[in-house]
Amino acid sequence: KQEVTQIPAALSVPEGENLVLNCSFTDSAIYNLQWFRQDPGKGLTSLLLIQSSQREQTSGRLNASLDKSSGRSTLYIAASQPGDSATYLCAARNAGGTSYGKLTFGQGTILTVHP
Amino acid sequence: GAGVSQSPRYKVAKRGQDVALRCDPISGHVSLFWYQQALGQGPEFLTYFQNEAQLDKSGLPSDRFFAERPEGSVSTLKIQRTQQEDSAVYLCASSFKGGPYEQYFGPGTRLTVT
Repeated sequence: KQEVTQIPAALSVPEGENLVLNCSFTDSAIYNLQWFRQDPGKGLTSLLLIQSSQREQTSGRLNASLDKSSGRSTLYIAASQPGDSATYLCAARNAGGTSYGKLTFGQGTILTVHP
Repeated sequence: GAGVSQSPRYKVAKRGQDVALRCDPISGHVSLFWYQQALGQGPEFLTYFQNEAQLDKSGLPSDRFFAERPEGSVSTLKIQRTQQEDSAVYLCASSFKGGPYEQYFGPGTRLTVT
């Protein structure tokens, strides 16, 4: 059974810092891994999706990497801003067991960027 | 085009009441997923539909939970005799097909059972 863990659970940084969020998963049989952002009381906003054959994806100040063999992914946020404050979730799309790819989520990292 | 929509956005139910949560997926999407997100947790898988067929309901927490997608489009998640532990956000996602295709999420329905 896939298990996804995110470290740290919470992170508070001053504006302008570069930061790294970590995600690990136990079953490497995945189609892809996806990072989401969730603002309080809101739904999920997809940030980056990395296919299992890829090593990284970039979008603006965000860069996500994937090391499938070691079961790890990182989300790097450059020059953080107060508007980046949110909960960040990673989710693995499972290929093992079934073919339809249900997502297994981590518990999330609560990020606070203070001015 | 329109994204995934869910209704109602908020629902307050008294313990013991039945509720029905609706999901309108993106038009043409074959796959539909329901997830449950408890406060402070990541979403957890509930059930999966491919067109009108419910292929996996392993995540449904009890037999009080029932989901359907009779015409392969709109889906309804029904919870009978609601309990306080059912309080959560219920998220619906659709994708073009199963497997590696990206899932697009709706805004969720926040259910509070009092």
